[in-house]
Amino acid sequence: DTAVSQTPKYLVTQMGNDKSIKCEQNLGHDTMYWYKQDSKKFLKIMFSYNNKELIINETVPNRFSPKSPDKAHLNLHINSLELGDSAVYFCASSQVVRDSLFFGQGTRLTVV
Amino acid sequence: AQSVAQPEDQVNVAEGNPLTVKCTYSVSGNPYLFWYVQYPNRGLQFLLKYITGDNLVKGSYGFEAEFNKSQTSFHLKKPSALVSDSALYFCAVRLTYGNNRLAFGKGNQVVVIP
Repeated sequence: DTAVSQTPKYLVTQMGNDKSIKCEQNLGHDTMYWYKQDSKKFLKIMFSYNNKELIINETVPNRFSPKSPDKAHLNLHINSLELGDSAVYFCASSQVVRDSLFFGQGTRLTVV
Repeated sequence: AQSVAQPEDQVNVAEGNPLTVKCTYSVSGNPYLFWYVQYPNRGLQFLLKYITGDNLVKGSYGFEAEFNKSQTSFHLKKPSALVSDSALYFCAVRLTYGNNRLAFGKGNQVVVIP
């Protein structure tokens, strides 16, 4: 069983489109995250939810909107995609603050 | 705000030789420190963490790291590198209180030469 699963793994889309990435964790963790990894492999946190409540919202364009229907799911919706949104997006989860993160396999988004 | 620095872009080491990946951190309080590894086209995998207690922390795949408070460092080490250790290594830090924002370093590419 995959602990943190993201779909799709690859996403190629045109500028201006709206797309969603789904994430699910079966670890029973309370906290979930979205990270963005750019072409230079730099990782930056975008959002974090704890028990469906938004607790971290970094400086991210409001075209990006996370949604957590329950604590096992954290989806990422992106409106009006731009070329600069091309990156690998990672979902992750953890139980408590000091615990390590479990990462999904990533979604490689390419905007053309 | 917390941050980490990984000064080297790439670390090259011959198979069987000791491997060290450097990390220094900056926080305003006590840190939780982590190392993660990323293999090509994969998500990050947890290697080890320092929370409290012994400064020498042992983790997965024979890796260990030493917490040095006076030097604000948390270098990752392995006594004998394997070709399969070739990957991207990330150091990360978060505060022991407040928000759970985890700050990652820029990553170090490790290349183990057969």
